[in-house]
Amino acid sequence: EVHLVESGGGLVQPGGSLRLSCAASGFTFTTYWMSWFRQAPGKGLEWVANIKQDGSEKNYADSVKGRFTLSRDNAKNSLYLQMNSLRVEDTAVYYCVREIAARYWGQGTLVTVSS
Amino acid sequence: DVVMTQSPLSLPVTLGQPASISCRSSQSLVDSDGNTYLNWFHQRPGQSPRRLIYKVSNRDSGVPERFSGSGSGTDFTLKISRVEAEDVGVYYCMQPTLWPPITFGQGTRLEIK
Repeated sequence: EVHLVESGGGLVQPGGSLRLSCAASGFTFTTYWMSWFRQAPGKGLEWVANIKQDGSEKNYADSVKGRFTLSRDNAKNSLYLQMNSLRVEDTAVYYCVREIAARYWGQGTLVTVSS
Repeated sequence: DVVMTQSPLSLPVTLGQPASISCRSSQSLVDSDGNTYLNWFHQRPGQSPRRLIYKVSNRDSGVPERFSGSGSGTDFTLKISRVEAEDVGVYYCMQPTLWPPITFGQGTRLEIK
């Protein structure tokens, strides 16, 4: 069974940093692109970033480009999202998602950016 | 960027009655490989989204047969043949054809009358 477990969310002040992690299990991690999506409170779904199987290609939404960095450790079946220069509008539940077609989603981790 | 437009945004339905949600894209979602990548998701309150349909009309495993997807090019539809109580929540269409960015519709909130 596929499991995606996010961690690392919390409360941070504007301008601060957080690092989200996603532990994957139940499938061959190196076979899939991996993505982060987010959902602001009461709002719709938004794609944030994705990364190719070997980490050689990364794509970012314009809203986070230059501030967020996506990486993966295939030896640890893990995905990471380093978030710097956080803004109030980055407040959201962040989901770790398998593959571009978004077949499987984690339970999400809440990031709150507030002073 | 491809803009995805759903309608209606709110959908009150009587139990046992059919429901239909439209999703239109600002560009054709036919990929260079000949496939059309258009997915549908359902999100219950307080839960993560769940994919229901991929590539326009393919149901994911465990998705009830009352859910069906159809369409082509820029015009797509999700239908529920007979709405059940567990179907409440928000439905989203998503295009992973022309990316980045991957884009979603605004969401359609289904409620029971």
